[in-house]
Amino acid sequence: GAVVSQHPSWVICKSGTSVKIECRSLDFQATTMFWYRQFPKQSLMLMATSNEGSKATYEQGVEKDKFLINHASLTLSTLTVTSAHPEDSSFYICSAPNRVNTGELFFGEGSRLTVL
Amino acid sequence: QQQVKQSPQSLIVQKGGISIINCAYENTAFDYFPWYQQFPGKGPALLIAIRPDVSEKKEGRFTISFNKSAKQFSLHIMDSQPGDSATYFCAAGGGGGADGLTFGKGTHLIIQP
Repeated sequence: GAVVSQHPSWVICKSGTSVKIECRSLDFQATTMFWYRQFPKQSLMLMATSNEGSKATYEQGVEKDKFLINHASLTLSTLTVTSAHPEDSSFYICSAPNRVNTGELFFGEGSRLTVL
Repeated sequence: QQQVKQSPQSLIVQKGGISIINCAYENTAFDYFPWYQQFPGKGPALLIAIRPDVSEKKEGRFTISFNKSAKQFSLHIMDSQPGDSATYFCAAGGGGGADGLTFGKGTHLIIQP
């Protein structure tokens, strides 16, 4: 089946630094990818929609200057958390729809960010 | 985002019993209703999904019941096993899911041996 891969799976950084998370669709092309954030024991909250070849669409309340999204190719989207703070510590999960086949949404394994 | 309401928040079921989780949605434009299973530290994995043209879908021990007029859908896990212990999320979206999903708050399911 379709696979979405995220890297790194976990990262620890110092406050004030920037962290980049990659999301790849391994066996299908994705013109759209979605980035979610999940705090402990909470649900997934959509942060933004990444669009290949155009600007990302951010959900209300998500700072676009802090969470930079780049959809570099049909198989890669990156999320950069800039000037990270401890409150940015969370589980970041990307997903991509497999439009060619079923349109189902496939999720990556997630990236756990801890900001010290 | 339109809200998706999920209940119960937590559920304890004896091994072999039936686990039932319910969800309700608001947006009538939604046309894709998946259920995801998530284990600690892992991303959510698609369990089963239904589209509004059918009222029920069964895959193995997992069944989705869908009531379009009531805007409700539910997950039934038959013969629940300890390995089913996880957090379950319902979700709803448009474009067959390709437009993104709105998630329920999740149900923490524990199957007691």
